[in-house]
Parts: sequence; C-alpha cells; structure tokens
Amino acid sequence: GAVVSQHPSWVICKSGTSVKIECRSLDFQATTMFWYRQFPKQSLMLMATSNEGSKATYEQGVEKDKFLINHASLTLSTLTVTSAHPEDSSFYICSAPMSLALETQYFGPGTRLLVL
Amino acid sequence: AQKITQTQPGMFVQEKEAVTLDCTYDTSDPSYGLFWYKQPSSGEMIFLIYQGSYDQQNATEGRYSLNFQKARKSANLVISASQLGDSAMYFCAMREGRNAGKSTFGDGTTLTVKP
Repeated sequence: GAVVSQHPSWVICKSGTSVKIECRSLDFQATTMFWYRQFPKQSLMLMATSNEGSKATYEQGVEKDKFLINHASLTLSTLTVTSAHPEDSSFYICSAPMSLALETQYFGPGTRLLVL
Repeated sequence: AQKITQTQPGMFVQEKEAVTLDCTYDTSDPSYGLFWYKQPSSGEMIFLIYQGSYDQQNATEGRYSLNFQKARKSANLVISASQLGDSAMYFCAMREGRNAGKSTFGDGTTLTVKP
C-alpha cells in the first residue's frame, strides 16, 4: 500500500489565491521530505528539501517566498503556493526516504494544480 | 552538463518482447545510487529498481533488470516479456553521496507496448 500520501490530489483555484498541499509519510517518520514539480511531458525538478524542525532548503531559481514549506512534524510537510498564477499550474509531487532503506524513496501520488 | 541523460524520447516494443531503455549519468562522487521509476498516465511515480555504485552485481526485480556498466557510466533498464500495462513514461534518476531522496531525474522515455 501507499507509504506517502498527498492531499489534495486535484485543486483548481483563481489567480491570486494561495493553495496548500500536504504530504504525509504513513507508518514511518521522515525528518526530510522533498518537493518536486513536473510540467506536462517533462521531467521532475526538485524544488526544495523540507527539514523537520528547521528551514527548508530551496533549489536555485525557486522563490522561497512564493513556495512556502513547513515541516510541522515527523510525518507531515506542507507546500503553500502563495498568490498563485497560471504559470504555477503544474504537477507537484513530494517524496520521503525511509531512513533505514536509503536506496528507496517513496513518492506521493502527486497534486495537480490548475490556476485560472 | 546534464547529470542524467535519456536519449530516447519514445520507444515502441511488441508485446512479449524485451526492451532496453538507455540511461547515462555523470558524477564525480564515488558513492551514488541509480534508480528507475515508472510513471503511468495517472502521474504516480512507481519505484522499479535500484543500483548502488558499489554493488558488484546488476540489480534485478522480476521482469526488470538494470544493466550497470560503471566504466561507461550507463545504467540501462531492461524490461523482459513486455506487457500492455508497461506502457508509461520511464525515468532514470541518480542520488549522489548519502543524500537520501535528493535525486536528479532524466528527461524520461515514453514506452508504448503494441499488441
């Protein structure tokens, strides 16, 4: 069964609103989670590393004020797209490695965001 | 330079035949891991197979095997006995060092299995 969940799976919002996406690890604790973005027919691009109890680490070119990340507990990370615009429409996927099996990271099912 | 290169944007294979999806990588870190994921149209990323840089043998998982040629920096995925359900996007990815989970992905290969 799924080991990482995401909510919501689909969201449509108006331009200028903020959208929160949740990523939860099920049955294991994840001190680190990763947020990726994928545009249609393109590869996954790492946006940021979410760290429990400390600030997220953002990849070059990703606006940290635009994409707010909060790792509130050992099983939950949230990504908030603030003042969303149509160009933020994308597929957002989180992943969490199981610390005892470093060779495997588990992905959430993804969240499709459409900004009108 | 791109760290992960998948040179085949699209591939076709006849059902029940084997297919090889190419992946080359570039790293100077002696410790790294290579992954293959399947992404069907639903979008979920499905882990298929993993190869560590220090692994002596090629990884295998059921119908999936990884042809790891370290000197050539290639990590091709071989799918044997293709099934219609194998039609999907396939991504090769690399993790450098011990940074579990932080992976760089290739551009992907769309595989279509023909009946």
